[in-house]
Amino acid sequence: GDSVTQMEGPVTLSEEAFLTINCTYTATGYPSLFWYVQYPGEGLQLLLKATKADDKGSNKGFEATYRKETTSFHLEKGSVQVSDSAVYFCALRGRVYGQNFVFGPGTRLSVLP
Amino acid sequence: DGGITQSPKYLFRKEGQNVTLSCEQNLNHDAMYWYRQDPGQGLRLIYYSQIVNDFQKGDIAEGYSVSREKKESFPLTVTSAQKNPTAFYLCASSIDRNSPLHFGNGTRLTVT
Repeated sequence: GDSVTQMEGPVTLSEEAFLTINCTYTATGYPSLFWYVQYPGEGLQLLLKATKADDKGSNKGFEATYRKETTSFHLEKGSVQVSDSAVYFCALRGRVYGQNFVFGPGTRLSVLP
Repeated sequence: DGGITQSPKYLFRKEGQNVTLSCEQNLNHDAMYWYRQDPGQGLRLIYYSQIVNDFQKGDIAEGYSVSREKKESFPLTVTSAQKNPTAFYLCASSIDRNSPLHFGNGTRLTVT
């Protein structure tokens, strides 16, 4: 079945550092790909998405590019802030209408001032 | 503002008791979902519903039950048959089954 693998955390960075969180997937066909963020004590929020190969999703300074050849969707940000401390989930949804989301295990990011 | 409301935020129960978690949405979304989140794990789907009076089992439905009598409401009952019910429960909705999910803020259930 479909699956999502993320780099294990926790990831600890200093403010203004460059962030990469790796995500690779296994799926039949070409799924839609998503990054969700969960702040402490809250539910998940959609951060960005990409629906086809070479698409780049971006939001709030975060970016991720849909790489079909490497089945990857790595999350990047050029300069992190303390307020970016959260858990980040990579997820996919297959092309067949009504397929359920598949989530990765999440990567906890802590940004220190 | 439109959104998803889960209540209560924290819930404590004794082992052997059934407990119902509330989920209400005013987004006019057709599809609703229940997920379970455990530390270090991704979200696992418990149940989902595409329309009123219809729902389907997800990956870990055993020990849970749901109802969908109204479009805006999708309560989850954790029964005494659920072997390990202590977890963080998230309700979500989407416009349809092909759209991104919108999540509530979750209910943390502790069973002792």
